[in-house]
Amino acid sequence: KNEVEQSPQNLTAQEGEFITINCSYSVGISALHWLQQHPGGGIVSLFMLSSGKKKHGRLIATINIQEKHSSLHITASHPRDSAVYICAVGAHKIIFGKGTRLHILP
Amino acid sequence: GAVVSQHPSRVICKSGTSVKIECRSLDFQATTMFWYRQFPKQSLMLMATSNEGSKATYEQGVEKDKFLINHASLTLSTLTVTSAHPEDSSFYICSARGDRGGNQPQHFGDGTRLSIL
Repeated sequence: KNEVEQSPQNLTAQEGEFITINCSYSVGISALHWLQQHPGGGIVSLFMLSSGKKKHGRLIATINIQEKHSSLHITASHPRDSAVYICAVGAHKIIFGKGTRLHILP
Repeated sequence: GAVVSQHPSRVICKSGTSVKIECRSLDFQATTMFWYRQFPKQSLMLMATSNEGSKATYEQGVEKDKFLINHASLTLSTLTVTSAHPEDSSFYICSARGDRGGNQPQHFGDGTRLSIL
């Protein structure tokens, strides 16, 4: 079993839909990251959180430390949100999930 | 926000060639830099961690003589793939962080796609 599991692996939705991507982990952590990887490969760090909830624009990330679970939400999704979203845990040494491939249709 | 520049973005070369990839932090001092490799449809895998001025720490299974890492300044780390072979073809990406303790987020470069013929 992978230490970081993401679901779903692939997600296709219509523009405007509310998107949820889930991440479960089995190791003790001090921080959880949500990253966005574009088709060309470049990675953008979206959130780093250790408790509660963070919001940036249309993106919301939550974490439940007791349940070892985090979710990334995208409100009013747009085709430009199409990317691979990666959950990663750890502070110094990071363990990455395999990513969720999101495709938003216009 | 913090910017990490990685160069080149793509390399295609013959087997046996050595390839150098640069990772620069443009607006902060990168105390720690990380090098990752990603095979198609796989997770990023940490290859090595380097702290400025000291030797890199390599992950298990990564050959230090094949993947040479230099972190001589607070803004530059390089990864040299020596005598590259087709199995070294992969996507290499670096990240940088401004502290050693892990309290600050990592900032990622755009990656280098290496293709060995």
